[in-house]
Amino acid sequence: GAVVSQHPSRVICKSGTSVKIECRSLDFQATTMFWYRQFPKKSLMLMATSNEGSKATYEQGVEKDKFLINHASLTLSTLTVTSAHPEDSSFYICSARGSEPYEQYFGPGTRLTVT
Amino acid sequence: AQKVTQAQTEISVVEKEDVTLDCVYETRDTTYYLFWYKQPPSGELVFLIRRNSFDEQNEISGRYSWNFQKSTSSFNFTITASQVVDSAVYFCALSENTGNQFYFGTGTSLTVIP
Repeated sequence: GAVVSQHPSRVICKSGTSVKIECRSLDFQATTMFWYRQFPKKSLMLMATSNEGSKATYEQGVEKDKFLINHASLTLSTLTVTSAHPEDSSFYICSARGSEPYEQYFGPGTRLTVT
Repeated sequence: AQKVTQAQTEISVVEKEDVTLDCVYETRDTTYYLFWYKQPPSGELVFLIRRNSFDEQNEISGRYSWNFQKSTSSFNFTITASQVVDSAVYFCALSENTGNQFYFGTGTSLTVIP
């Protein structure tokens, strides 16, 4: 199946700093990528839909100025958590949509800890 | 309203027992897709199965089997002869015809006790 990578897999940052998470589709082009957030023992919550070359669409309640998404190429989307705070600590998962609309390939996730 | 409901939050079984994880979904689309994913402690989602709404055939893959019943809007997952390695959180998900978003259930945490 298609492969999606995320980098870094784990990151610890200090409160007030920004951190960037990359999501790459390794063997296919993805015009659409998705960013999810998962709190401990909870389900995945869709944060935003990222379309190549256009602005991301954010779900209700997600601060677009805090979670900056850039989808500059067909194989790369980035999520930048700006001015991170401890409550931003979470597991972030991206996915990339394949050639069929129902296909989504998930990355391995990035565990962010803000101290 | 929750589109995907996994009523079982946590299940514990003894190794070699069979276990069924329930999933009930809600959609008005006639074309949709249902999925099951496994999430081990590492966090990575492992794809298990995809089913489209026009294929109600049950599926078996090794110790895993799935029962799709449109009449009850359910897509249940059974593990036979469970093993310790099956311990994980299992998510059921729905993708509607527009395909833009996956709706995940809240997950069922399965613990298989040796």
